[in-house]
Amino acid sequence: GAGVSQSPSNKVTEKGKDVELRCDPISGHTALYWYRQRLGQGLEFLIYFQGNSAPDKSGLPSDRFSAERTGESVSTLTIQRTQQEDSAVYLCASSLGGMTEAFFGQGTRLTVV
Amino acid sequence: GQNIDQPTEMTATEGAIVQINCTYQTSGFNGLFWYQQHAGEAPTFLSYNVLDGLEEKGRFSSFLSRSKGYSYLLLKELQMKDSASYLCAVREANSGYALNFGKGTSLLVTP
Repeated sequence: GAGVSQSPSNKVTEKGKDVELRCDPISGHTALYWYRQRLGQGLEFLIYFQGNSAPDKSGLPSDRFSAERTGESVSTLTIQRTQQEDSAVYLCASSLGGMTEAFFGQGTRLTVV
Repeated sequence: GQNIDQPTEMTATEGAIVQINCTYQTSGFNGLFWYQQHAGEAPTFLSYNVLDGLEEKGRFSSFLSRSKGYSYLLLKELQMKDSASYLCAVREANSGYALNFGKGTSLLVTP
């Protein structure tokens, strides 16, 4: 596609429910990143994919968070048993390999009530 | 892992020049990026440095010194629309080229 697409753009969920966030990277981009950005804060690294494998999962904050990528394309970030502290904007970015600039999607704003 | 430090906030006047500094510590440096983020929007790419020296792109320039773990973003002829957060990010080879961001510098341009 023309740019990185994320869905949904907004999600309100009840505490304890599971949510799934989707990222469609730019076509042909092999590297894909997930970040979390709390209100007024910087970008917190969550996970990075090169192709379908994740060399760096160090940023996932707990075992409630998981991510997968299939076909070197779409990625999903799943948060189980959501907590209020999970409320944030979740940003996805992709790049052509691991050595070039990353392009960001518009993010998913998650609100846990 | 790595530490990336930037000033939290800066203020400058329209038409002036401002320099935003970034220092970092990393064991496997593989490139430094600057991004701009307007409130409520996604970050957009500004510049990339992997070798020492100055990269110029229009009103924006970025400098890197790998031996000092230091970079700066220079914005010239400031415009009101330059009010945004500026994010310094370092790519680290040891973690499979993951891209780690500093907390960002919020720049306010005043008339």
